[in-house]
Amino acid sequence: EAGVAQSPRYKIIEKRQSVAFWCNPISGHATLYWYQQILGQGPKLLIQFQNNGVVDDSQLPKDRFSAERLKGVDSTLKIQPAKLEDSAVYLCASSLAGWEAFFGQGTRLTVV
Amino acid sequence: GESVGLHLPTLSVQEGDNSIINCAYSNSASDYFIWYKQESGKGPQFIIDIRSNMDKRQGQRVTVLLNKTVKHLSLQIAATQPGDSAVYFCAENWDSGYALNFGKGTSLLVTP
Repeated sequence: EAGVAQSPRYKIIEKRQSVAFWCNPISGHATLYWYQQILGQGPKLLIQFQNNGVVDDSQLPKDRFSAERLKGVDSTLKIQPAKLEDSAVYLCASSLAGWEAFFGQGTRLTVV
Repeated sequence: GESVGLHLPTLSVQEGDNSIINCAYSNSASDYFIWYKQESGKGPQFIIDIRSNMDKRQGQRVTVLLNKTVKHLSLQIAATQPGDSAVYFCAENWDSGYALNFGKGTSLLVTP
């Protein structure tokens, strides 16, 4: 079974630029999550989708972050404009049902 | 603030010894707990989970203990191996949205 795919693996941008991350969940997984993991900390939920609908985006900084899940499969997370404190690993995860989430390798973002 | 936290940020054990990683939680409504293992450059990997109506659950070389009286969770790894070296996170869920709240993590280092 293929895992959660994310791209790119690494991204370096200047502050105030925009960036987008892509995620392809495990086939058939209805639930998709985006987490932000700052160095030395545990992942923090940004947004959760159930199919193509948003379940929870309470911790998403909506003034600069946006996410969508077209057709209930792939998802993109965008940051515009980026700030230095957005430097982190952005993890995508998916689950079939319940709480066991499978994570991708993440995208490491460095904002300079 | 976070309701899930870990007592020790780092733990060093000798190969072959047993490891115990501890976690405290503060939300009495939490009903599901998961332990994840995260190796460098990878996303978190599911190890074992436990529901709040259980006290103990065993997997392959791992055991999770839940003490609801003191809101404490532990992960025991038997016969620790070099491949067990990683950061371990406990995570909890207390709402119906299935998103997880992660603690900061404990770094486990296995020495020969």
